[in-house]
Amino acid sequence: GPKVLQIPSHQIIDMGQMVTLNCDPVSNHLYFYWYKQILGQQMEFLVNFYNGKVMEKSKLFKDQFSVERPDGSYFTLKIQPTALEDSAVYFCASSLPAKNSDYTFGSGTRLLVI
Amino acid sequence: GDKVKQSPSALSLQEGTNSALRCNFSIAATTVQWFLQNPRGSLINLFYLVPGTKENGRLKSAFDSKESYSTLHIRDAQLEDSGTYFCAAEGRGTGNYKYVFGAGTRLKVIA
Repeated sequence: GPKVLQIPSHQIIDMGQMVTLNCDPVSNHLYFYWYKQILGQQMEFLVNFYNGKVMEKSKLFKDQFSVERPDGSYFTLKIQPTALEDSAVYFCASSLPAKNSDYTFGSGTRLLVI
Repeated sequence: GDKVKQSPSALSLQEGTNSALRCNFSIAATTVQWFLQNPRGSLINLFYLVPGTKENGRLKSAFDSKESYSTLHIRDAQLEDSGTYFCAAEGRGTGNYKYVFGAGTRLKVIA
């Protein structure tokens, strides 16, 4: 079936540096999401995004986080500057432009901040 | 409190046996998704449910919106079923276009 691709699959970065996580959503999907999973814990909602705008963000979506999807390219999550507690797996998801539509998740980007 | 509560938190199953996982919602859930996170960390979409039931091979899932719960039944458990099962719900109380996940059930199938 259709897939969400996440690039890179793994990233190691020095604390304080900037990192950009890339997501290639399903082609006809218009809603995009980022979720964060700390090792061994549950999936936590970060942000959703539609029509070029953030619709909702959680408390975990710190000021250092930003999202965008310039001109239909990758949907990106940027963290600047990174902190040690940002180490986690970040999952991107996308869905159709209809309420209560099922999500397609990517395989995650494993981010380690050292 | 937790909007989506999963039980049990962990489970060990003998190969070939059956079991049921459960999610209880403290929100007015309208849709539910079940996922399996495999040992490599990837999320596999198992079911997407509006109120009702679905079946796929050895898996069967039900969602009762009135009683605010969903179940995932595993029949004839196999070693490859091992992993963490997550349910996620969307509806009034979660915000628009946002799934809230449970904490997961860690399943280990043993030979």
